[in-house]
Amino acid sequence: AQSVTQLGSHVSVSEGALVLLRCNYSSSVPPYLFWYVQYPNQGLQLLLKYTSAATLVKGINGFEAEFKKSETSFHLTKPSAHMSDAAEYFCALWMDSSYKLIFGSGTRLLVRP
Amino acid sequence: ETGVTQSPTHLIKTRGQQVTLRCSSQSGHNTVSWYQQALGQGPQFIFQYYREEENGRGNFPPRFSGLQFPNYSSELNVNALELDDSALYLCASSQKTGPSYEQYFGPGTRLTVT
Repeated sequence: AQSVTQLGSHVSVSEGALVLLRCNYSSSVPPYLFWYVQYPNQGLQLLLKYTSAATLVKGINGFEAEFKKSETSFHLTKPSAHMSDAAEYFCALWMDSSYKLIFGSGTRLLVRP
Repeated sequence: ETGVTQSPTHLIKTRGQQVTLRCSSQSGHNTVSWYQQALGQGPQFIFQYYREEENGRGNFPPRFSGLQFPNYSSELNVNALELDDSALYLCASSQKTGPSYEQYFGPGTRLTVT
């Protein structure tokens, strides 16, 4: 069955430090994968997506993610954290057979001054 | 280009009551999906509407129902509200003829059931 696992419900980094948010997936077909960000009391904003093209995907706000089939991973990174990056981040898998996104449980990113 | 809008922003209901949430899709989009996001969790797929018909459904009971109108806007109806229905309800629109995984989310409706 298709599923998404996000390791670490909370990640805390210092401003300027590397951000690494982990996502692993399970899929019986080639996956379409997404990262969304959610700021407090707001909806979801698409950060980036993988749709079987380049394995290194660049998104908005300096974020990027690398698709690794051998590790069934799609980790999100940013070289230097900014205070404005503090938010909840969700990894999601698209299920084309049922036209729905399957989301992980989310990782809350805290950025310390 | 108008984004996805939802109304109301917040809603407080009593257990056993019924509620209707509304969503206007992004301009040019003909498909609407609804998701429930309980506190501290990721969104869960409720159902999708395309051409005014339900086009897929998640693991939600029949008291969750929906409608899509000719202008592609949509309603989510929940009957016999339970305390566990308290959540943020997100609407997402997409274009069926394009990459339907390109889903654009609205700001959500926060439902509190007391």
